[in-house]
Amino acid sequence: KQEVTQIPAALSVPEGENLVLNCSFTDSAIYNLQWFRQDPGKGLTSLLLIQSSQREQTSGRLNASLDKSSGRSTLYIAASQPGDSATYLCAVTNNNDMRFGAGTRLTVKP
Amino acid sequence: NAGVMQNPRHLVRRRGQEARLRCSPMKGHSHVYWYRQLPEEGLKFMVYLQKENIIDESGMPKERFSAEFPKEGPSILRIQQVVRGDSAAYFCASSPPGHTFTDTQYFGPGTRLTVL
Repeated sequence: KQEVTQIPAALSVPEGENLVLNCSFTDSAIYNLQWFRQDPGKGLTSLLLIQSSQREQTSGRLNASLDKSSGRSTLYIAASQPGDSATYLCAVTNNNDMRFGAGTRLTVKP
Repeated sequence: NAGVMQNPRHLVRRRGQEARLRCSPMKGHSHVYWYRQLPEEGLKFMVYLQKENIIDESGMPKERFSAEFPKEGPSILRIQQVVRGDSAAYFCASSPPGHTFTDTQYFGPGTRLTVL
């Protein structure tokens, strides 16, 4: 049974810092891994999707890496901004099953 | 193109009542997925439907919960005889024909159910 863990549970940084969010999973036989952003009271926004054959994906200031063999993914956010404050969720997909981590709540202070 | 729509956004029910949550997928999408997010926990998959068919309901509680996606109209997640433990945010996602579960899903804003 796939288990997804995100560390840390909460993170607070000053504006401008680069930061890394971590996601680990127990079953490496995944189809893909996604990073989502969840704002309070809102739905999920997909940020990056990494297929199992890929090592990383980039979008603007975001870079996500995937190491299937070690069961790990990282989300790197460069030059953080207060608008980046949200909860970041990673989700891994095996067959017809998408498992989410509990999320990292990020606060970027002006 | 409007995104995935869910209504109501907030729903309050007393124990023992029924809750009906609606999800209108993006235009042209034929697959719908329901997820539940309990307080302080991650999202958990509940059910995957295509028009008029349940594809995978392995995440649905065995009792009181049901889902449908009729040929016309929105997908409905129905919870009978709600209990306090049903209080959660329920998210719906959709994807186009030809996509599988492993392709990108587009999420709605969620319905927050509170059971008094």
